[in-house]
Amino acid sequence: GNSVTQMEGPVTLSEEAFLTINCTYTATGYPSLFWYVQYPGEGLQLLLKATKADDKGSNKGFEATYRKETTSFHLEKGSVQVSDSAVYFCALKGPSDDYKLSFGAGTTVTVRA
Amino acid sequence: DGGITQSPKYLFRKEGQNVTLSCEQNLNHDAMYWYRQDPGQGLRLIYYSQIVNDFQKGDIAEGYSVSREKKESFPLTVTSAQKNPTAFYLCASSMAHNLYNEQFFGPGTRLTVL
Repeated sequence: GNSVTQMEGPVTLSEEAFLTINCTYTATGYPSLFWYVQYPGEGLQLLLKATKADDKGSNKGFEATYRKETTSFHLEKGSVQVSDSAVYFCALKGPSDDYKLSFGAGTTVTVRA
Repeated sequence: DGGITQSPKYLFRKEGQNVTLSCEQNLNHDAMYWYRQDPGQGLRLIYYSQIVNDFQKGDIAEGYSVSREKKESFPLTVTSAQKNPTAFYLCASSMAHNLYNEQFFGPGTRLTVL
């Protein structure tokens, strides 16, 4: 079945540092890829998505590019803020698994002022 | 404002009791989902419904039941058969259950079994 592996945390950064969270996947065919963010005690919010190879999703300064050749969808942000402290989840869905969303374990990011 | 509401936010239950978690959406979405989140883990799918009066088991359906009698509502019952029910439960909805549509999540219900 489909699966997602993302970088283990926790990750601690200083404000204005560069953030990268690695995400690789295993799937049959051409899945859609997503990054979700979860703030403490809340539900998940969609951060960005990409639905075909070489697509770049972007939102709020975050970017991720759908790389079919390396089966990756790494999340990046050039200059983080304290407000970016959250848990980040990489996820995918594809036809081989009835379009069910499969999540990575999540990466906790803490940004210090 | 359109969105997904879950109630209650915190729920306490004694062992052996069934409990029902509410999920309502006013986004006019066809598909709805229930997930379970445990500390330090990703989300696991319990049940999903692609359309009214239809639902399918997810990866961890044992000990749970659902109904989908109305488009906007998808309640989850945690039965006494669920061995370890203490967790954070998240409801989600999507315009359609397909490759492209993203899921929108509610704020969650934290269930604690005493």
